[in-house]
Amino acid sequence: GQQLNQSPQSMFIQEGEDVSMNCTSSSIFNTWLWYKQDPGEGPVLLIALYKAGELTSNGRLTAQFGITRKDSFLNISASIPSDVGIYFCAGQLQGNEKLTFGTGTRLTIIP
Amino acid sequence: GAVVSQHPSRVICKSGTSVKIECRSLDFQATTMFWYRQFPKQSLMLMATSNEGSKATYEQGVEKDKFLINHASLTLSTLTVTSAHPEDSSFYICSARNPGTFSYEQYFGPGTRLTVT
Repeated sequence: GQQLNQSPQSMFIQEGEDVSMNCTSSSIFNTWLWYKQDPGEGPVLLIALYKAGELTSNGRLTAQFGITRKDSFLNISASIPSDVGIYFCAGQLQGNEKLTFGTGTRLTIIP
Repeated sequence: GAVVSQHPSRVICKSGTSVKIECRSLDFQATTMFWYRQFPKQSLMLMATSNEGSKATYEQGVEKDKFLINHASLTLSTLTVTSAHPEDSSFYICSARNPGTFSYEQYFGPGTRLTVT
């Protein structure tokens, strides 16, 4: 099935640093979502974006719905140890409940 | 909140046997549930969409006779892996859509780790 491309694939940062990651698609989506998955668990929804150009925050997390509707960005400010995990973007078309997931970005915090 | 549970969390079975995985929405009624498969260090791949009271819709390449899905009630969907083989070993995750919210709000279960020996 189709997958969205996320970059970077992995990130190694120090605690306190800001993080940026993005997700791109060859086709447009009407909704973009960002999930975080901890090892051995299911994904947890972080942010949902519904309109092109929309910028939404959830605590230290900020995500944007790209103007072209083919990309989205997630920023994490002042990273903390519990931010470690895999971040997935997911796109959804209007009228279609199915989610298409990105390839994931693995975040590791170096002590 | 919207809580989705899965049972079992881990299962080990022998080749040729069948395994049933349950997905329950605990505090809402889910008319639609989704089943995903995730291999190590890979993304989630949608296997099928489970609709209450009707047949599941399978994604291309997913064998419906091998992965039997039953959505008999508004809070329970089951995935049965029939005649399991080692290549079926994977992390199976379900999600449920709460019809009381926007369609894009899917809530995921904690996953089931299947190991076929």
